[in-house]
Amino acid sequence: KNEVEQSPQNLTAQEGEFITINCSYSVGISALHWLQQHPGGGIVSLFMLSSGKKKHGRLIATINIQEKHSSLHITASHPRDSAVYICAVTAGQNFVFGPGTRLSVLP
Amino acid sequence: EPEVTQTPSHQVTQMGQEVILRCVPISNHLYFYWYRQILGQKVEFLVSFYNNEISEKSEIFDDQFSVERPDGSNFTLKIRSTKLEDSAMYFCASNSGVLSYNEQFFGPGTRLTVL
Repeated sequence: KNEVEQSPQNLTAQEGEFITINCSYSVGISALHWLQQHPGGGIVSLFMLSSGKKKHGRLIATINIQEKHSSLHITASHPRDSAVYICAVTAGQNFVFGPGTRLSVLP
Repeated sequence: EPEVTQTPSHQVTQMGQEVILRCVPISNHLYFYWYRQILGQKVEFLVSFYNNEISEKSEIFDDQFSVERPDGSNFTLKIRSTKLEDSAMYFCASNSGVLSYNEQFFGPGTRLTVL
């Protein structure tokens, strides 16, 4: 069974800072997803990765399949980035979620 | 922009009662999912559904749970006899691909409270 870990658990940053959230998993996967959960509970998919790197606006996600590790970076962070960021992995149709990283960006 | 919708947004029920949570996935999507998140805990996979049958389910998805796609648009999760520990936020999701490699689109969730 895949175990997904994230670090840090909680992160407080000042507006404008560069942020990195890490995810590691224990067994091979088909894909890795980065999700954003807003304070109200809604979940939005940010990235789906199976290799390499993806960029969307100020967000960058990378994955190293050999090391079973992924990172989510936020450049020029903003208070509206405050949310819980969740890493989820899938092999087949079963998704395993990480515990989430709670990010607070202060103005 | 198409979106996944869920009803109701909040359901309160008595222990032992049956509940049906409803979802309308994005219309051209092929895979459908239910997840739950107990307050303060991580999201957990319940079940995936493709081609009118369950493709995978977790240990949580026991005989008390069932899913159905009764028509071309709705996707439902039924809990036959609710327990206190079923209280959680339930999220429906869909994706367009044949594989789970594609982006997941989540509904806003239904908060289930079992008294």
